[in-house]
Amino acid sequence: EVQLAESGGGLVKPGGSLRLSCAVSGFPFNNVWMSWVRQAPGKGLEWVGRIKSKTDGGTTDYAAPVKGRFTISRDDSKNTLYLQMNSLKTEDTALYYCTTVSLAFDIWGQGTMVTVSS
Amino acid sequence: SSVLTQPPSVSVAPGQTARISCGVNNIGSESVHWYQQKPGQAPVLVVYDDTDRPSGIPERFSGSNSGNTATLTISRVEAGDEADYYCQLWDSSSDQYVFGTGTKVTVL
Repeated sequence: EVQLAESGGGLVKPGGSLRLSCAVSGFPFNNVWMSWVRQAPGKGLEWVGRIKSKTDGGTTDYAAPVKGRFTISRDDSKNTLYLQMNSLKTEDTALYYCTTVSLAFDIWGQGTMVTVSS
Repeated sequence: SSVLTQPPSVSVAPGQTARISCGVNNIGSESVHWYQQKPGQAPVLVVYDDTDRPSGIPERFSGSNSGNTATLTISRVEAGDEADYYCQLWDSSSDQYVFGTGTKVTVL
């Protein structure tokens, strides 16, 4: 069974940092592009960033609001995706989902909540 | 980057047809995907590449895309279709994935 499980969310002060993880099982993680998508409370979906598979170059792209503050990485040996979030702002408060990127955003985890507040 | 405009809400009676639009200039030249999100749940892909359905998605869900509007059509609407729906595409001009503003479908 394909599963994506996010972890690492929590409460952090503005200006702080947090690292999210997404553990993947049930499919060959190393061949798959991955993405992070977030959803602020009561709001719509917002793409955060994407990382390609290493065979496709392993490069990353980011949404404008997070570029320069967030970094996506992957450890194919651990079947795990990461999102390093620095210089957090109150507007980064959201539920963060990891997703596979194939046909579209095909498979989603259940999300991990990040709250940025003083 | 593109702003994908959706109607905030659509109401439909059971058994009828719901149509959800997603608009931006020349969207017909892009591949559009659609997601369903029920309350408290993660989104689910229901249509990809304008018209295709992932395995397990009922045939009642269909998509089209032409000109400046993409459309998700839900035929023979059921109570279980009540959810938020989002369109999405890859904006090659800005190297960004973009989501629509979202539409809440209410089954009367």
